[in-house]
Amino acid sequence: DAGITQSPRHKVTETGTPVTLRCHQTENHRYMYWYRQDPGHGLRLIHYSYGVKDTDKGEVSDGYSVSRSKTEDFLLTLESATSSQTSVYFCAISERTHIGLYFGPGTRLTVT
Amino acid sequence: EDKVVQSPLSLVVHEGDTVTLNCSYEVTNFRSLLWYKQEKKAPTFLFMLTSSGIEKKSGRLSSILDKKELFSILNITATQTGDSAVYLCAVEANAGNMLTFGGGTRLMVKP
Repeated sequence: DAGITQSPRHKVTETGTPVTLRCHQTENHRYMYWYRQDPGHGLRLIHYSYGVKDTDKGEVSDGYSVSRSKTEDFLLTLESATSSQTSVYFCAISERTHIGLYFGPGTRLTVT
Repeated sequence: EDKVVQSPLSLVVHEGDTVTLNCSYEVTNFRSLLWYKQEKKAPTFLFMLTSSGIEKKSGRLSSILDKKELFSILNITATQTGDSAVYLCAVEANAGNMLTFGGGTRLMVKP
């Protein structure tokens, strides 16, 4: 398995609280991504990064921000969590942009 | 807006059966189509297709792309219970180079 870890793996939080999810890779891949997966919607891209401090928005970026200060870490922040952000969040990495994605184990986030 | 549709939504078969999963797409400036298998956790990569008519094979799994009719199929022969999973199709298009995923087909293989 590609060296990708996500933390936490499970989180329950209340509406309005800030939440940060962490993705850590040991593969030194340039590209990192945050996806969310919901029934009926498949996987949807939230944000991605093409290098340290270089990030861009995906399909469903509203309500989320990201940061990448080191090659190995990509953080996803929900500034003020809402119930619509209850989902499973996957981090992914690749050597080429958007191709050959290796996914992390996922984080199940529940916003009550 | 790019769109990827998979069918059927779910499928139940018995071990030894052959199954065909479908993926159709409407995207701007198609570049490639990818198949992933998702068991209980993260999706794992199966195939990437870029050219029409060239079949990709890996053991009992094979896939082919038709760029004229804008679809791909994933075939699994002699299915086993370990093939039970959600199969995801994704298309890379030039607009932003992002992947658009279909909703997946849930396959259950019964002994």
